[in-house]
Amino acid sequence: QKEVEQDPGPLSVPEGAIVSLNCTYSNSAFQYFMWYRQYSRKGPELLMYTYSSGNKEDGRFTAQVDKSSKYISLFIRDSQPSDSATYLCAMSWNSGNTPLVFGKGTRLSVIA
Amino acid sequence: GAGVSQSPSNKVTEKGKDVELRCDPISGHTALYWYRQSLGQGLEFLIYFQGNSAPDKSGLPSDRFSAERTGGSVSTLTIQRTQQEDSAVYLCASSLAGGAGNTYGYTFGSGTRLTVV
Repeated sequence: QKEVEQDPGPLSVPEGAIVSLNCTYSNSAFQYFMWYRQYSRKGPELLMYTYSSGNKEDGRFTAQVDKSSKYISLFIRDSQPSDSATYLCAMSWNSGNTPLVFGKGTRLSVIA
Repeated sequence: GAGVSQSPSNKVTEKGKDVELRCDPISGHTALYWYRQSLGQGLEFLIYFQGNSAPDKSGLPSDRFSAERTGGSVSTLTIQRTQQEDSAVYLCASSLAGGAGNTYGYTFGSGTRLTVV
């Protein structure tokens, strides 16, 4: 079992839909959780950062962490064609010198 | 520069040849990471440099892979005797501080797309 599991999709939704992206993980020591967005032929860019459990909202994006279930989610409201990209979850167990562990990424297409 | 710069953006090489990939991080970023992204495999950690500390090489897949960071800035990833399975996008990232405690996260370059034929 990989440390971080993420459904690769592809996921296709109509414009305006609510999108739910998810990751599960096996290491209960993970405390830092991030979502990155990657456009085609570009490097990933940080979208959301969450420490420990709870919710965090930023505009149309909401990140949720449920440590008891080892499950994290990213919700996108009122999805736009410009949201079409690959979304990668990433996490780590400390704030020190430990590189992030990434999921495989979910490819999202928002159709106008 | 304003972002992380990687060169070349694309590289096609023959099996058995050596290649060097370059990463120029954001000025002032003390941490530098190399990841490999293969189709359907996600981002695979390769190596991590933090300041003057010894690099974390735990992700390097074989002794054909090596990396160095000169003067705490530019880094070069070298792959010797390339194999077809080395074909992937090699991504470099830098951050202000090491690890996940940095809320600014990593800033990635656009990657080098390596094709071994």
